[in-house]
Amino acid sequence: AQKITQTQPGMFVQEKEAVTLDCTYDTSDPSYGLFWYKQPSSGEMIFLIYQGSYDQQNATEGRYSLNFQKARKSANLVISASQLGDSAMYFCAMRGLRTSGSRLTFGEGTQLTVNP
Amino acid sequence: EAQVTQNPRYLITVTGKKLTVTCSQNMNHEYMSWYRQDPGLGLRQIYYSMNVEVTDKGDVPEGYKVSRKEKRNFPLILESPSPNQTSLYFCASNKEVDTGELFFGEGSRLTVL
Repeated sequence: AQKITQTQPGMFVQEKEAVTLDCTYDTSDPSYGLFWYKQPSSGEMIFLIYQGSYDQQNATEGRYSLNFQKARKSANLVISASQLGDSAMYFCAMRGLRTSGSRLTFGEGTQLTVNP
Repeated sequence: EAQVTQNPRYLITVTGKKLTVTCSQNMNHEYMSWYRQDPGLGLRQIYYSMNVEVTDKGDVPEGYKVSRKEKRNFPLILESPSPNQTSLYFCASNKEVDTGELFFGEGSRLTVL
């Protein structure tokens, strides 16, 4: 079984500051992938970043980086230089190699608010 | 443009009235799936399909049916909707089973009265 835990229901950050959104996971799969998605108020799911469990380096995509600590089973999302448009719900998700149906297991989400 | 298209985007219906939410992708992806999103629960998979005529249950399949007669289409069928199926529904597709992101449709908000 897989489980994703996001312990921060809501986070606030000042514009232009960095923010870290926490994500811990649990899986028995030896190989897995970790994802972050953004869901703005309009409702669509926007892919942000992906980290494979065997990737040696932390993934980065523009202002997004994934702080992957395998031993601690954490995959925190770091957003640098926050912008007002970053205000949204953020979901951490994972897929194990043995997971049938290519299913992603999602966390409960963190609502990020960027203040001007 | 690569996309996953769902219809309808919004629907209000009554208990017991059969409805179908359509999903179509233009990326020639083999894998398609349906999720529902409920507050405090994140997204949960309802059904998935690994290819044409191959479907299987996800985490919350009760009350739903699916079919995959063509590679590009994966409709979600609610034979007899109930109020607990009021939710935001997402169709998704991906090319590879083990790697790669899921491409999501824009979502369908369903209310069952």
